[in-house]
Amino acid sequence: RKEVEQDPGPFNVPEGATVAFNCTYSNSASQSFFWYRQDCRKEPKLLMSVYSSGNEDGRFTAQLNRASQYISLLIRDSKLSDSATYLCVVKGSNSGYALNFGKGTSLLVTP
Amino acid sequence: IAGITQAPTSQILAAGRRMTLRCTQDMRHNAMYWYRQDLGLGLRLIHYSNTAGTTGKGEVPDGYSVSRANTDDFPLTLASAVPSQTSVYFCASRTGTDTGELFFGEGSRLTVL
Repeated sequence: RKEVEQDPGPFNVPEGATVAFNCTYSNSASQSFFWYRQDCRKEPKLLMSVYSSGNEDGRFTAQLNRASQYISLLIRDSKLSDSATYLCVVKGSNSGYALNFGKGTSLLVTP
Repeated sequence: IAGITQAPTSQILAAGRRMTLRCTQDMRHNAMYWYRQDLGLGLRLIHYSNTAGTTGKGEVPDGYSVSRANTDDFPLTLASAVPSQTSVYFCASRTGTDTGELFFGEGSRLTVL
């Protein structure tokens, strides 16, 4: 079983919609969690870290549920520019504590 | 401009040839990583280095080698390329193993024929 699992989508939503992505992780000892964004044919970039208490950055809200071992990302008032692939990322406990990436969830926001 | 530089950006290579992908960072980050990204498989870790002089194997190390002679450089070598190594390769770095955002280079697109 892959350490980080995501629904690949694609999620097609109209502008202004609210959309949520979930991600599950298998290692209960994982301590650090992130969402990265990757535009087509570009490198991934950090969108936001995910804290135990949940955190918000503008239209983006990240939540962590340790008991169920899942992470969520909520995007409110979707913009066309939000179209991208969103990668769920968990810091591993092996391989030098490298970050383990989910396969990504594709979002397309349409006019 | 500070960041990570990868070279080449794109390369077509005959099977059996040796190839080195270069990665240089000027942020003085201790930890560096090589990932490959394939459609449907996501980003997979090939090799990593927590600090200069040390390296380790990731999820898919076979057919690849790395070295970390200094802080800035982390080249990835394919000793004898095979078609299954056709992929987009990303080099990344961060301050340490426990902290810091992971910064990526722009990627190297490699095609092995």
